[in-house]
Amino acid sequence: QSVLTQPPSASGTPGQRVTISCSGSSSNIGGNTVNWYRQLPGTAPQLLIYSTIRRPSGVPDRFSGSKSGTSASLAISGLQSEDEADYYCAAWDDRLNGHHYVFGTGTKVTVL
Amino acid sequence: QVQLQESGPGLVKPSGTLSLTCAVSGGSISSNNWWSWARQPPGKGLQWIGEIYHSGSTDYNPSLKSRVTISVDKSKNQFSLKLTSVTAADTAVYYCARVGYCSSTSCSGDGFDIWGQGTMVTVSS
Repeated sequence: QSVLTQPPSASGTPGQRVTISCSGSSSNIGGNTVNWYRQLPGTAPQLLIYSTIRRPSGVPDRFSGSKSGTSASLAISGLQSEDEADYYCAAWDDRLNGHHYVFGTGTKVTVL
Repeated sequence: QVQLQESGPGLVKPSGTLSLTCAVSGGSISSNNWWSWARQPPGKGLQWIGEIYHSGSTDYNPSLKSRVTISVDKSKNQFSLKLTSVTAADTAVYYCARVGYCSSTSCSGDGFDIWGQGTMVTVSS
């Protein structure tokens, strides 16, 4: 049961900018950094954004992350066909019942 | 370059125990990282199962806590997952992952930067 809510789908034409939202609460996004993952069919997830805004080495600067309050966003500019994948936000959640990691519901990006 | 490899039975009987191991190569499990397990049922999203530090400290997903045990074997440079009383709902691809993004000089953040390829576990009689 995901506690981070994402739109199930997003789409755009090559070259367009696509934004994916991720809605959480004060115990996760509101109080911790956000990570984003891209998952191609049949493969393991790949870390795309960490610490809300940072890109691992090798991730193009077309990908950018941001956060405001209890919501976060991933923007993909200059959309390319290889960006067609599932995208997940995630964050650590600190509640009375402990410290645990929560993933978003996932967004399937389609390049039209 | 650190690599992770999951191993274990691909088929487990209902009410049985699922046991998987994640072998760490190219680096030490005693590094300053936590190590996690996650899973993904067919056609569905990701679910975090739990994590362990080389000291043996653990955190678990509250929804699975009563059935999960994660342990570490520093001598073999690996960590393991046990999930008891499994049902068909536990059928999924199981992944192990390293917590933290590490460059050549340091680690930072709390995302999962390295993942195993995943192993499919089916619960069926």
